[in-house]
Amino acid sequence: DGGITQSPKYLFRKEGQNVTLSCEQNLNHDAMYWYRQDPGQGLRLIYYSQIVNDFQKGDIAEGYSVSREKKESFPLTVTSAQKNPTAFYLCASSLNVAEAFFGQGTRLTVV
Amino acid sequence: LAKTTQPISMDSYEGQEVNITCSHNNIATNDYITWYQQFPSQGPRFIIQGYKTKVTNEVASLFIPADRKSSTLSLPRVSLSDTAVYYCLVGDAYGQNFVFGPGTRLSVLP
Repeated sequence: DGGITQSPKYLFRKEGQNVTLSCEQNLNHDAMYWYRQDPGQGLRLIYYSQIVNDFQKGDIAEGYSVSREKKESFPLTVTSAQKNPTAFYLCASSLNVAEAFFGQGTRLTVV
Repeated sequence: LAKTTQPISMDSYEGQEVNITCSHNNIATNDYITWYQQFPSQGPRFIIQGYKTKVTNEVASLFIPADRKSSTLSLPRVSLSDTAVYYCLVGDAYGQNFVFGPGTRLSVLP
């Protein structure tokens, strides 16, 4: 069935390591988004992409990178430049502004 | 993008109607108003969207006055399972940029 899938659900990173979070959708949506959520806080936009091979920085893009080589996939890399990466990461896709579909999230912890 | 303001938290009891108001004073002509619900450790879920007047679906109603500078999400007869954070978003149909504020944390008590 159609949906948006994030993996892994839990991820542990050592200091100084890069890690990549996966986001795949089979909804045929053009737009995809990455958000970060800290405990008790709202969602903050990291990057978004409205079309293949194009993406834009959100409010907190520093220390993160993305790619959009395929319509279905929008992976997020958390680089060593991100000083405080421990958070809940959410990926979403949408056909238009009416409704965004979210994945179940990846909880990243730095150990 | 229009900035939104919501109450940080609200309490209610089971069976009551809950109304959550969102202010968006600088809403643009092309902007729609969308509400999402989020449970802990899950992604937000779309509830309802409107442009003006009133919209109703099987889950909620959305009331938007003529000046569109605010909107009210109405949840009829809430249950314990409606305890969640509710987000109000404002954006146009072309920008496709979803900006979430801190939301309203609704606690439904028995």
